[in-house]
Amino acid sequence: EAGVAQSPRYKIIEKRQSVAFWCNPISGHATLYWYQQILGQGPKLLIQFQNNGVVDDSQLPKDRFSAERLKGVDSTLKIQPAKLEDSAVYLCASSLVDFDTGELFFGEGSRLTVL
Amino acid sequence: GDSVTQMEGPVTLSEEAFLTINCTYTATGYPSLFWYVQYPGEGLQLLLKATKADDKGSNKGFEATYRKETTSFHLEKGSVQVSDSAVYFCALSDLSSASKIIFGSGTRLSIRP
Repeated sequence: EAGVAQSPRYKIIEKRQSVAFWCNPISGHATLYWYQQILGQGPKLLIQFQNNGVVDDSQLPKDRFSAERLKGVDSTLKIQPAKLEDSAVYLCASSLVDFDTGELFFGEGSRLTVL
Repeated sequence: GDSVTQMEGPVTLSEEAFLTINCTYTATGYPSLFWYVQYPGEGLQLLLKATKADDKGSNKGFEATYRKETTSFHLEKGSVQVSDSAVYFCALSDLSSASKIIFGSGTRLSIRP
């Protein structure tokens, strides 16, 4: 079974530039998450999708971050314009609809460095 | 709001030593509790879970018991191996918080041969 795919693995940009990350979840997983993991900290949820719809985006900095999940499958997370404090690993995860299983399947992450 | 607090690392042990990584939580409802592990160069993966009080989760020789009275979910292993070197994250999910998973800050474990 293929896992969660993310790209790019690494990205270096200058502040005020834009960047986009792509995620392809495990086939059949209705729920998709984007987490931000700053060095030395645990992952922090940015946005959660259930199929096409947003379930929770309360911690997404909407002035600069945006995310979409077209057709309920792939998802893209965009940052525009980037700030120094956005340097982090952006993790995508997916899970089955039955959340009580509690298991999220994570991709390897996209590491962003903002100079 | 809900939160997870785990012991700070790094933790360095010799092979075959006993391991405990402490985790306590704060939640308004009745959360499910998890330990996730991140091996070097890999994504996070579920290690074990417990969904109600007094449940014990176990996997790969690791165990953790859901203690409601002390709001704790400490991770233990009787004899660690070099291959256990990784970052361990305690986490909870609470249906009253839209089922999102909240993670602790992580504990880096290094095992010396």
